[in-house]
Amino acid sequence: NAGVTQTPKFQVLKTGQSMTLQCAQDMNHNSMYWYRQDPGMGLRLIYYSASEGTTDKGEVPNGYNVSRLNKREFSLRLESAAPSQTSVYFCASSEGGRVFFGPGTRLTVL
Amino acid sequence: QKEVEQNSGPLSVPEGAIASLNCTYSDRGSQSFFWYRQYSGKSPELIMSIYSNGDKEDGRFTAQLNKASQYVSLLIRDSQPSDSATYLCAVTTNQAGTALIFGKGTTLSVSS
Repeated sequence: NAGVTQTPKFQVLKTGQSMTLQCAQDMNHNSMYWYRQDPGMGLRLIYYSASEGTTDKGEVPNGYNVSRLNKREFSLRLESAAPSQTSVYFCASSEGGRVFFGPGTRLTVL
Repeated sequence: QKEVEQNSGPLSVPEGAIASLNCTYSDRGSQSFFWYRQYSGKSPELIMSIYSNGDKEDGRFTAQLNKASQYVSLLIRDSQPSDSATYLCAVTTNQAGTALIFGKGTTLSVSS
């Protein structure tokens, strides 16, 4: 089992560019999440999906969109990147209360 | 208003000592409580979960929960240099389904 995988690992964007962060899990979990982590701010929930076909906003959803493509995949899209979106992005999945994180994507917006 | 509060630290303890990490939360409806460990540059990993009042022990780790005081703690006995990391407290809330809301984390440094 690979667990939760994320691509890319690193990305540099210019202000205004768009991109999609990909996430997949092979644990057959219903729930998936996107978090961002900034120095001194901890992990903040961007969006979550309790099951295939459903998505809900978290603490900091502005500037992001998500797609729960199927049970395995949950993508995060930045339509027009801003420097304030420079962060480390973690995808996660859970079942029975236990949450498992992917390795993260380090995104820099210039 | 942040729903989960932790002292950012750093908390420094000598090798072999007990490290005590604390966390408070604001949502009285929270049902599940977790402690994650995060090494620098890595993703968080679950080390303890607790769901009912009292203590739960797992090896050198003990989680304590007091719902009346809205307080969760983590004790690490016989601290080792390899325990040096950031410890994140996380709770479930009624506002975010099964998603976890995290505190900012406490940095622990264990000196040999």
